[in-house]
Amino acid sequence: KQEVTQIPAALSVPEGENLVLNCSFTDSAIYNLQWFRQDPGKGLTSLLLIQSSQREQTSGRLNASLDKSSGRSTLYIAASQPGDSATYLCAVPRKYSTLTFGKGTMLLVSP
Amino acid sequence: DARVTQTPRHKVTEMGQEVTMRCQPILGHNTVFWYRQTMMQGLELLAYFRNRAPLDDSGMPKDRFSAEMPDATLATLKIQPSEPRDSAVYFCASGHGQGALIGHQPQHFGDGTRLSIL
Repeated sequence: KQEVTQIPAALSVPEGENLVLNCSFTDSAIYNLQWFRQDPGKGLTSLLLIQSSQREQTSGRLNASLDKSSGRSTLYIAASQPGDSATYLCAVPRKYSTLTFGKGTMLLVSP
Repeated sequence: DARVTQTPRHKVTEMGQEVTMRCQPILGHNTVFWYRQTMMQGLELLAYFRNRAPLDDSGMPKDRFSAEMPDATLATLKIQPSEPRDSAVYFCASGHGQGALIGHQPQHFGDGTRLSIL
């Protein structure tokens, strides 16, 4: 059974800092890895999707990397802003199967 | 922007009552997912449909939960009878999938129904 772990569970940083969120998974037979953002009282919004054959994916100030062999992914946020405050979740599907989600990292960026 | 719409946004009811949650997927999407989110368990898949047919509902307690898609624009999740342990946020998501690929497609989430069973 696939298990997804995210560390840390919560993170508080001052505005402007670069930060890294971690995601690990137990079964490396994944098809891709997905990062989502969840704002309070809202649903999930897809941020980045890295195919299993890729090493990283970038969108604006966000960069996600994937190391399948070690079962790890990181989400790097550059020059953090208060608007980045949210919960970030990673998820992996095994081939032909549905997504397994981590419990998320709650990020607070203070002005 | 096309959105997944869920109603109601909030529901408080007493134990034993029937609860019905509704979801309008994005027009043209052929796959609909129901998830439950709690602090303890995180986000769990309850059931999903492809072209209105249930593909997997193994994540649902069968004795009290039921999920249907009466038509392509409406998905419903019912709990009868409800219990306090059902208190959670229930999310619907939709996407466009092909063949056997289930979790690979981008999923678009609604804002959820926050359910409290007293």
